[in-house]
Amino acid sequence: DTGVSQDPRHKITKRGQNVTFRCDPISEHNRLYWYRQTLGQGPEFLTYFQNEAQLEKSRLLSDRFSAERPKGSFSTLEIQRTEQGDSAMYLCASSPRQYSYEQYFGPGTRLTVT
Amino acid sequence: KQEVTQIPAALSVPEGENLVLNCSFTDSAIYNLQWFRQDPGKGLTSLLLIQSSQREQTSGRLNASLDKSSGRSTLYIAASQPGDSATYLCAVSMPGANSKLTFGKGITLSVRP
Repeated sequence: DTGVSQDPRHKITKRGQNVTFRCDPISEHNRLYWYRQTLGQGPEFLTYFQNEAQLEKSRLLSDRFSAERPKGSFSTLEIQRTEQGDSAMYLCASSPRQYSYEQYFGPGTRLTVT
Repeated sequence: KQEVTQIPAALSVPEGENLVLNCSFTDSAIYNLQWFRQDPGKGLTSLLLIQSSQREQTSGRLNASLDKSSGRSTLYIAASQPGDSATYLCAVSMPGANSKLTFGKGITLSVRP
């Protein structure tokens, strides 16, 4: 399977704990995006990487959130001191260098903070 | 700030009906528009992408059109089937904005057998 993969698919954590999610983009896609989706809403942009450089962060991404993409391959999204409001689906997408910039999404990580 | 609207939020139709899903956006200077399908609890599957210079794209029973000047797109589904039941989202990207997508809230479609 050469699609975008995310791990874990589900995560239940207690408030105040730290969590880390991983995204593996389609190989050779240099662009990688993280989005967050809450129930009944469309996904909202969190952050964008071109290769290993994090080029944009949304104001939604508070200081408790950090993302990395070492060597321009997989990416991780870490949430420190989780809050109940962090409960959401975290989606990763990648797109190629070419003209269309079509984005391909992974299956998402469902986070529940209790 | 770009805003994307999809109305109605939900739609129920009998099997076999042809249907149109609407999407509108406030800033017409888009780079491209994508339609996605999302099944409950799952990720997004890209259906069609229309570049700003294009008027429509087709894939199987799906046809998406774009009227950039009026800020509208439609997704036409021919001969709907129960397997088409899902949430359909449209999203736009802007030029020079790292191609990040701004999404509507989606239309939840139910096709009754």
